[in-house]
Amino acid sequence: QLQLQESGPGLVKPSETLSLTCTVSGGSISSSTYYWGWIRQPPGKGLEWIGSIYYSGSTYYNPSLKSRVTISVDTSKNQFSLKLSSVTAADTAVYYCARRTSYYSSGWYHLFDYWGQGTLVTVSS
Amino acid sequence: QTVVTQEPSLTVSPGGTVTLTCASSTGAVTSGYYPNWFQQKPGQAPRALIYSTSNKHSWTPARFSGSLLGGKAALTLSGVQPEDEAEYYCLLYYGGAQHVVFGGGTKLTVL
Repeated sequence: QLQLQESGPGLVKPSETLSLTCTVSGGSISSSTYYWGWIRQPPGKGLEWIGSIYYSGSTYYNPSLKSRVTISVDTSKNQFSLKLSSVTAADTAVYYCARRTSYYSSGWYHLFDYWGQGTLVTVSS
Repeated sequence: QTVVTQEPSLTVSPGGTVTLTCASSTGAVTSGYYPNWFQQKPGQAPRALIYSTSNKHSWTPARFSGSLLGGKAALTLSGVQPEDEAEYYCLLYYGGAQHVVFGGGTKLTVL
């Protein structure tokens, strides 16, 4: 059974960089079928896609966050990471990592199937 | 900026049927947007229900179904159960499926 687990500081100061890691167990991060993504949810609000990375290192970011986001992958550790710079209180949220599966079978199929439990990151001095 | 719109809230009686919809600011939603649907209960991570318009995950209850309806993606719950009370989010893929946008969510109340 695939499992994803987010880890990182729960408190970050304004203007600093938020750093989180997602560890994947029960499966390999190095597969051409999968992308690995970050999604966040401010308290009481909806879901926002931050970005995704392919095992090869190709990245895709939400245009509204692109200038502050870096997502990277470490296939040797079966992990991928998120860095969000110059954070403000508006970046306070539960951050989820998730697997996106994409495959072709008489047509393309795209799905976010497995999610981590999420980790709350608070931006405050 | 692309906006994906859902009904903010809906109420349904136990055993009833309800349809949630998902619209795109770019125009009609087609299968090429590969609509996904998620269920989220308080304090939990989202759980995937439907992908690529109408395909169910192995864990998706049979009473959930996805479709395209009037230029929107739709999620229909038939024979609603009390445990279906939750927030439901749709997700659409854009730009060759490299970018995704979530809808604002629909709070479904079973009453």
